[in-house]
This record gives sequence, structure tokens and C-alpha cells, in this order.
Amino acid sequence: DTAVSQTPKYLVTQMGNDKSIKCEQNLGHDTMYWYKQDSKKFLKIMFSYNNKELIINETVPNRFSPKSPDKAHLNLHINSLELGDSAVYFCASSRGLAGWKMTYNEQFFGPGTRLTVL
Amino acid sequence: GNSVTQMEGPVTLSEEAFLTINCTYTATGYPSLFWYVQYPGEGLQLLLKATKADDKGSNKGFEATYRKETTSFHLEKGSVQVSDSAVYFCALSDLTSAGGTSYGKLTFGQGTILTVHP
Repeated sequence: DTAVSQTPKYLVTQMGNDKSIKCEQNLGHDTMYWYKQDSKKFLKIMFSYNNKELIINETVPNRFSPKSPDKAHLNLHINSLELGDSAVYFCASSRGLAGWKMTYNEQFFGPGTRLTVL
Repeated sequence: GNSVTQMEGPVTLSEEAFLTINCTYTATGYPSLFWYVQYPGEGLQLLLKATKADDKGSNKGFEATYRKETTSFHLEKGSVQVSDSAVYFCALSDLTSAGGTSYGKLTFGQGTILTVHP
């Protein structure tokens, strides 16, 4: 009964490679997110999609490209991987209310994907 | 911009000790405030939340009160258990605008590692 799932859980790859991380939620939520957690546990939002539409795009290198084929999926593709991309990447989802009510919404997180770039 | 500052960790306590993790925030609007917890090897999960000034969030013996006058949302628990060992994140959710529509966006503090010894 996994609510938010991510694959793979671990990803080890060489610098310069291209890789993808997949995320799926079965909660019926409209909004999905990608976060990056660095080695000091600091969490920062990267992207957010609402109903397959990009609504938040933080200052992230354009080597990172999110894709939302439908409301239940948000994948993250990374081109030309660099050492600094090593981190844990979390997917999350929440109900897609707009306006002030959106700030009340709990976000549900996946288990994370630990990416190591060698 | 918005920011959240938590007390530096790590915090190490003995079982049944009193816990306080300080959290202060800076926001331009009227944010909702959250505490999320991350157990080892897992994603984040919501611990408690408060959506307006003077609201108290509580769950599993943890409490936090939204103090607008001091812009704080300190987490407390009267008697911690070994199973409370985790990373605790304070966060605020405020509106961000995209394409003429406003959406909620979470900003996290840096996280506080808590270790409870028997």
C-alpha cells in the first residue's frame, strides 16, 4: 500500500552519464514535487507540478529535467551527471488546492533515491 | 525571501528527558508551520502542523505553538523515547505564484538530529 514510491532506491553512476529517477503516487493527489537533500540533511525544493503543469522551478541547472506523463507520475532526468549531484532525492505529493488552502496541505514523501556520482 | 532557522544539532538525550528544538522563521506572508520527522533510511513524514497564530499542533506527545510575535514554532516533548531518534525538520508553507495562480511552497530548516539513549 505504498503511497509515494520511487525507483531506484540507490543509484551509483559515473560522471557524465545520464540517469532517471521515477516517482509514482497512488494517493490521487494533483501536485507532486522533487526535493534534493544534501549530505548535511538540508532539504531544498527543485520542482513542483500541478496537474502535469510545472508551477515551481527553483534555480536548478537545466541538466535536470522533470517530466510528468500524468498526475500520478513525476520523473526526474539528469544529464551529464556531476560529482555535486550526489545527494538523496525525494519525491513528494499533496492535494492540489490552489490559493491559501494550499499552504495547509501536508506533503507525503517517498523513501528517497540515494544518488552517488563517482 | 522566506527562511527557517532551527537550533543546531545533534541533540543527544537520555530516555525520559525533556526535549526542546527551537525553530524561528522569516516570512513575508502568513505561513502555515510544520514539523516533519525523518526516521533513519526513510522519507519525511508530517509530525504536526499549525495554520494560524496561537494554534497548537500536537501528535505522539510532541507539541508546538505558532507564536507570531516571536516568529517561532518550537518543538517540545515531555519525555522522549529511544524510538524518537530521528531528524526533525521545521518548515513553513507560504504562497508562491506561477502563471497567475498561487500555490503553497514548503521551505525547510536545516534539520536537527536527535539521538535518544536508553
